[in-house]
Amino acid sequence: KAGVTQTPRYLIKTRGQQVTLSCSPISGHRSVSWYQQTPGQGLQFLFEYFSETQRNKGNFPGRFSGRQFSNSRSEMNVSTLELGDSALYLCASSPRLAGGEETQYFGPGTRLLVL
Amino acid sequence: EDQVTQSPEALRLQEGESSSLNCSYTVSGLRGLFWYRQDPGKGPEFLFTLYSAGEEKEKERLKATLTKKESFLHITAPKPEDSATYLCAAYSGSARQLTFGSGTQLTVLP
Repeated sequence: KAGVTQTPRYLIKTRGQQVTLSCSPISGHRSVSWYQQTPGQGLQFLFEYFSETQRNKGNFPGRFSGRQFSNSRSEMNVSTLELGDSALYLCASSPRLAGGEETQYFGPGTRLLVL
Repeated sequence: EDQVTQSPEALRLQEGESSSLNCSYTVSGLRGLFWYRQDPGKGPEFLFTLYSAGEEKEKERLKATLTKKESFLHITAPKPEDSATYLCAAYSGSARQLTFGSGTQLTVLP
């Protein structure tokens, strides 16, 4: 089975721009979660989507948004980029079977640099 | 507020020198405790899930254990290729999200 894929792998943007990142989960997985990883804050939860609905959201400003499509693929968008948004953005998928299989499998990440 | 603390922050071992990494957690309604390995510039690689106190899981040189307050990742006779950052995460059934620790950076010297 193919793993979680994320595109693009690297991005350079300037302050004020917006960016869209894409994630394709493992085939059959219905839940997609997004995380931000920085050296100072570590891995922080952004949001989770399940069956095209946002199931939960972390403590990030409204500039961070996401969506999920009917094929479980997900995108996250960051508007009005700030220097502090420079980070590795990770996507993770899990089956979300009945009974709650919670193991999340991560993609390789998208490295975003904001100048 | 859910909290996961890992220690030590960094650990240097000689090849073959066994040791343990610690993960202590304060989580409301723990649904699972997860261990991941992360190499530089890559996404976390899943290692283990533990669901209840007393549970143990093994994979090659790694063994994970869980108590009601903490989890340990034991590394037996490590090799240089075991060098990586090891992340612990707790899933809260009430918050419905994973909370990660800051990781232990393990270096195994040949």
